[in-house]
Amino acid sequence: DVKVTQSSRYLVKRTGEKVFLECVQDMDHENMFWYRQDPGLGLRLIYFSYDVKMKEKGDIPEGYSVSREKKERFSLILESASTNQTSMYLCASNRDRASYGYTFGSGTRLTVV
Amino acid sequence: SQQGEEDPQALSIQEGENATMNCSYKTSINNLQWYRQNSGRGLVHLILIRSNEREKHSGRLRVTLDTSKKSSSLLITASRAADTASYFCAPYNQGGKLIFGQGTELSVKP
Repeated sequence: DVKVTQSSRYLVKRTGEKVFLECVQDMDHENMFWYRQDPGLGLRLIYFSYDVKMKEKGDIPEGYSVSREKKERFSLILESASTNQTSMYLCASNRDRASYGYTFGSGTRLTVV
Repeated sequence: SQQGEEDPQALSIQEGENATMNCSYKTSINNLQWYRQNSGRGLVHLILIRSNEREKHSGRLRVTLDTSKKSSSLLITASRAADTASYFCAPYNQGGKLIFGQGTELSVKP
């Protein structure tokens, strides 16, 4: 089975800190995605990548950046954490968007204080 | 919007009953996917139905798709307490992104 691993289950950071959320998948998937999930707003797409070194903005990229230096790893970076970035962050990967579902990690619950 | 919209927002049933959740969307699709999320965890892919399919089964799950009405439904038969979760539909348009709705919260009471 494909496994998507997010480095932290819970994270507490201070306002203004630079935060790195790491995501690693072990099945050579081309496509990787970062979502955030908030009550009443559902899942919202932050960034995605269809190949190494490639990145595309999702619906809410402001305040975030990403890095994909290796195929298996997709990092989400909060340049200067703010309290409104307190959320559940979900990483997903996928082999072929037209034919297969996404495999999600367990999520990172980030609290910015 | 490509986003799926689930209905109802919340559903409470007794164990053994069937649960039906509906999804509507607005654009043409390549496929439509259903996911489950247990509280505080990541989403789990349940089933993918292609635009040229009308019905698909997986265990106790039955998904239908009506592209003329731009709607889909997920039926869980003989529900169990372990089915308690949020369920999301996600329509996919070729070349696009998978956009999730806010989900249906299903509660199955023992």
